[in-house]
Amino acid sequence: EIVLTQSPGTLSLSPGERATLSCRASQSLTSSSLAWYQQKPGQAPRLLIYDASNRATGIPDRFSGSGSGTDFTLTISRLEPEDFAVYYCQQYISSPLTFGGGTKVEIK
Amino acid sequence: QVQLQQSGPGLVKPSQTLSLICAISGDRVSSNSAAWNWIRQSPSRGLEWLGRTYYRSKWYNDYAGSVKSRISINPDTSKNQFSLQLTSVTPEDTAVYYCTRHQVGKWYFDLWGRGTLVTVSS
Repeated sequence: EIVLTQSPGTLSLSPGERATLSCRASQSLTSSSLAWYQQKPGQAPRLLIYDASNRATGIPDRFSGSGSGTDFTLTISRLEPEDFAVYYCQQYISSPLTFGGGTKVEIK
Repeated sequence: QVQLQQSGPGLVKPSQTLSLICAISGDRVSSNSAAWNWIRQSPSRGLEWLGRTYYRSKWYNDYAGSVKSRISINPDTSKNQFSLQLTSVTPEDTAVYYCTRHQVGKWYFDLWGRGTLVTVSS
């Protein structure tokens, strides 16, 4: 089973600042088979990024993904008030599909 | 617009069977280009993929090893829905359960139900 480790656990930032979230895989994810999700309290996760760097439909371009192999990054260029939430990465190179433990982006 | 509507009890007694249904609108459970999944989320286990069902000329299932001996995911083409059954539940199975979709060849989840909190307690 591939383990995904996200860091930091919590990121305290102000609106307008840049957020950089990390996801590290225990094995190489060939084909960049990594997705990112955003989850707000009381809601289901929402797909943001797939194939490591492709934005899902309707996702603003302030969200970007990068990385390959075992190290991946989600960047939010300028935080908007609605971006404060928990973010998860997910690998889909092999079964079982697994998720990281999440990074909470909170208002400083 | 594709939507997933979940239903089922929010309270299950230990040792009994957890049963949830996910009704699909705007897509077909028998689609050759989608797979239908259950995922759960709890503070102790985080997001955990449980399994999926999909149709590719015949029906297939794929389950996570952690629940393989207790889980069943079944399609119902007459009602365009799919179900989750988890037997012999314990308090460790307390979680929010989500039904989701992924597209063929793309195992990320582009559509989610709203979630059902299931508590296992006597």
